[in-house]
Amino acid sequence: DIQMTQSPSSVSASVGDRVTITCRASQGISSWLAWYQQKPGKAPKLLIYAASSLQSGVPSRFSGSGSGTDFTLTISSLQPEDFATYYCQQSNSFPWTFGQGTKVEVK
Amino acid sequence: QITLKESGPTLVKPTQTLTLTCTFSEFSLNTNGVGVGWIRQPPGKALEWLALIYWDDDKRYSPSLKSRLTITKDTSKNQVVLTMTNMDPVDTATYYCAHNSRLFGSGSYAYYFDYWGQGTLVAVSS
Repeated sequence: DIQMTQSPSSVSASVGDRVTITCRASQGISSWLAWYQQKPGKAPKLLIYAASSLQSGVPSRFSGSGSGTDFTLTISSLQPEDFATYYCQQSNSFPWTFGQGTKVEVK
Repeated sequence: QITLKESGPTLVKPTQTLTLTCTFSEFSLNTNGVGVGWIRQPPGKALEWLALIYWDDDKRYSPSLKSRLTITKDTSKNQVVLTMTNMDPVDTATYYCAHNSRLFGSGSYAYYFDYWGQGTLVAVSS
């Protein structure tokens, strides 16, 4: 199985901050990576697919980059509605796997 | 607007079989490139992919749970059913179904979960 490791596990930030979350795959996954946002009690929401493609309707302050084993999700200017947990997920090969999550908290 | 909704028991006893139904609308599982998957999340923990079924009836399972899982589709009812046998308290989780779409990006097509159901919490306890 491909292991997905996110860092940090949590980050404290303020509105307006730039936030960067990283995801590392245990082996190369090309660009077959997605990022999801999950708020408490809600289903995950697709933000980024193919490592850097913005899902329709997602604000442009979200961006993704990377290929191979190292990926990054960046929120350019954190908004109040962005406090949530973020997960990466690879769809390069089965079984598809998720990272352990990164919680973005209020500083 | 694509929607999905999970239904099934909220409480099962250890060793019982869990049957969950995902009822969806505004897409067809007869359409080339479409799939429906199941993902679960134990309380306070990360997401775990369980199973996936495609329009052509191709089925994929998590290897760690493969012996316990069965996924089927009923295209006439717009439903996907997941059964999990021999339930254990560690299977307590919110179970989600999600639409799996073939999206183009970074020079190739790949599959991603672009629409999710609201999830259903299943507790396993005697």
